[in-house]
Amino acid sequence: EVVLTQSPGTLSLSPGERATLSCRASQSVSSNSLDWYQHKPGQAPRLLIYGASTRATGIPDRFSGSGSGTDFTLTISRLEPEDFAVYYCQHYSISPTFGGGTKVEIK
Amino acid sequence: EVQLVESGGGLVQPGGSLRLSCAASGFTFSDYWMHWVRQAPGKGLVWVSRMNIDGTTTTYADSVKGRFTISRDNAKSALYLQMNSLRVDDTAVYYCVRSAAIGNDYWGQGTLVTVSS
Repeated sequence: EVVLTQSPGTLSLSPGERATLSCRASQSVSSNSLDWYQHKPGQAPRLLIYGASTRATGIPDRFSGSGSGTDFTLTISRLEPEDFAVYYCQHYSISPTFGGGTKVEIK
Repeated sequence: EVQLVESGGGLVQPGGSLRLSCAASGFTFSDYWMHWVRQAPGKGLVWVSRMNIDGTTTTYADSVKGRFTISRDNAKSALYLQMNSLRVDDTAVYYCVRSAAIGNDYWGQGTLVTVSS
């Protein structure tokens, strides 16, 4: 089973700043199987990025994903107030796994 | 509009059983793999189980294997999770999730399961 480690656990930033979130896999994974989700309290999680770098339908272009092998990154170029949330990476496989999440909070 | 609506959560004693349901609408249910994902209070997302389009392939997280059973009724556009021998650490919000080639693209709002004496 692939273990995903996300860092940092919490990111304290101001609106307008750039956010860089990391997701490291315990072994090399296919980029096609790495997705990112946004989750706000009381809401359903939302798919942001699939295949490591492709934005899902309706996702603003301030969100971008990159990486390959064991190291993947989600970047939010300029934080909007609605972007403060918890972000998860997920590896899709026979037994899918999620990372522990990164909370992006208002500084 | 795609909708996934979970039901069946509630309070149950340790060792008890619950059956969760997920009513799907707005898409051809039988075309999609479906998953259950849970989130314990204050914790992250954890994948629980998945089922293929015709119900012939199922996979479970080790933590629920042998206790939980996923099933579906394509005629009713419904997904189920039968949960037996429930433990306190099964307490969580359970989400029904549609799986597409582009990722898990639709999630329900979740149903809360509380296991407590």
